[in-house]
Amino acid sequence: DAGITQSPRYKITETGRQVTLMCHQTWSHSYMFWYRQDLGHGLRLIYYSAAADITDKGEVPDGYVVSRSKTENFPLTLESATRSQTSVYFCASSENRRETQYFGPGTRLLVL
Amino acid sequence: AQKVTQAQTEISVVEKEDVTLDCVYETRDTTYYLFWYKQPPSGELVFLIRRNSFDEQNEISGRYSWNFQKSTSSFNFTITASQVVDSAVYFCALSEASRGNNRLAFGKGNQVVVIP
Repeated sequence: DAGITQSPRYKITETGRQVTLMCHQTWSHSYMFWYRQDLGHGLRLIYYSAAADITDKGEVPDGYVVSRSKTENFPLTLESATRSQTSVYFCASSENRRETQYFGPGTRLLVL
Repeated sequence: AQKVTQAQTEISVVEKEDVTLDCVYETRDTTYYLFWYKQPPSGELVFLIRRNSFDEQNEISGRYSWNFQKSTSSFNFTITASQVVDSAVYFCALSEASRGNNRLAFGKGNQVVVIP
């Protein structure tokens, strides 16, 4: 029972490149989330999804794109990576909008 | 607006001492949910507890206990007889029922260092 997984766990890329971070959950949770964690800012919501084909912006969506064609997957794409997007990215899921969010192991992204 | 404040950034204790982490929250909702998560040095976020706004019962789980007081908008966390494995960053978080997105507002976290 894998729960929620993220790939890759570590990624180094260059400014201007497109990067996709993957998130997969095996619980059939309706809600999925992307957060970024930065020193001094804590965790901030980037995007969330209430169900397949339903996504919406969080606090810091600029520069990111998401999609959710299947309930279990919620990829996050940085269309043209910038140094300010160097961060640790966490994916989370919850059964519904009032339930506890469970987090994946995180992806450490370095943009050079 | 939802807001969570964790005032102490880093706390060092000697093993077997107790440590209390303060969490103060702000919300206009009458229905909300409070959480504590642990982030050990390995980096993952581990769910510890959830408390609903209408349930003010305190809770104990092993060496962990939580004190929820609506009157002071606080949801404090105590580790009793701390151990080295408790060394981690602990986050308090708030979710408001009125929000359609279940967004978690996190505090900045408390870095707990347990010295053997």
